[in-house]
Amino acid sequence: GENVEQHPSTLSVQEGDSAVIKCTYSDSASNYFPWYKQELGKRPQLIIDIRSNVGEKKDQRIAVTLNKTAKHFSLHITETQPEDSAVYFCAALNTGTASKLTFGTGTRLQVTL
Amino acid sequence: GAGVSQSPSNKVTEKGKDVELRCDPISGHTALYWYRQSLGQGLEFLIYFQGNSAPDKSGLPSDRFSAERTGGSVSTLTIQRTQQEDSAVYLCASSFSRGVDGYTFGSGTRLTVV
Repeated sequence: GENVEQHPSTLSVQEGDSAVIKCTYSDSASNYFPWYKQELGKRPQLIIDIRSNVGEKKDQRIAVTLNKTAKHFSLHITETQPEDSAVYFCAALNTGTASKLTFGTGTRLQVTL
Repeated sequence: GAGVSQSPSNKVTEKGKDVELRCDPISGHTALYWYRQSLGQGLEFLIYFQGNSAPDKSGLPSDRFSAERTGGSVSTLTIQRTQQEDSAVYLCASSFSRGVDGYTFGSGTRLTVV
């Protein structure tokens, strides 16, 4: 089955700096890669996703890149703000055969003033 | 409904008692998932329902855990003879078929076994 590794487990950046979270996956047939943000005590929420037919997707200050050859994808947050502080989870899915998302272990991002 | 609804939001139970957790998915979502999240940890898959297919129970940690989904909508997760290690937040999510557009999570049920 699919295996997703996520790094780093914790990340601290100063407000205004950029943050990058990286994930690798094992199943070369995986073709859908969502990212979830979970604020303290709240539910995980989908913030951005990418499919294997594109290499990059942006939405305001967040972007996701995908390298199918290397089987890794990354979340980039620019101009970080305190409200970006949360746990971020990556996930992967083979929409053709798999029944559920495989999640990474999460990255706790702390944006300091 | 507008979102995934879970109840109760908090549950404190004595060790050895049975508990039932409820999930009401988004209308039209055919897939429903249960995950467990221990304090500060990741998302542990428990069980998955897709339409009328047999559920994927591969994540259930023991035979004390069971779940059902009635009429393709509401789901109930039952934990029998609760243990302290069952204390966690139980998250339900729903999606269109097999999560091909991502999941929508509920707010979870925080279970504390004392």
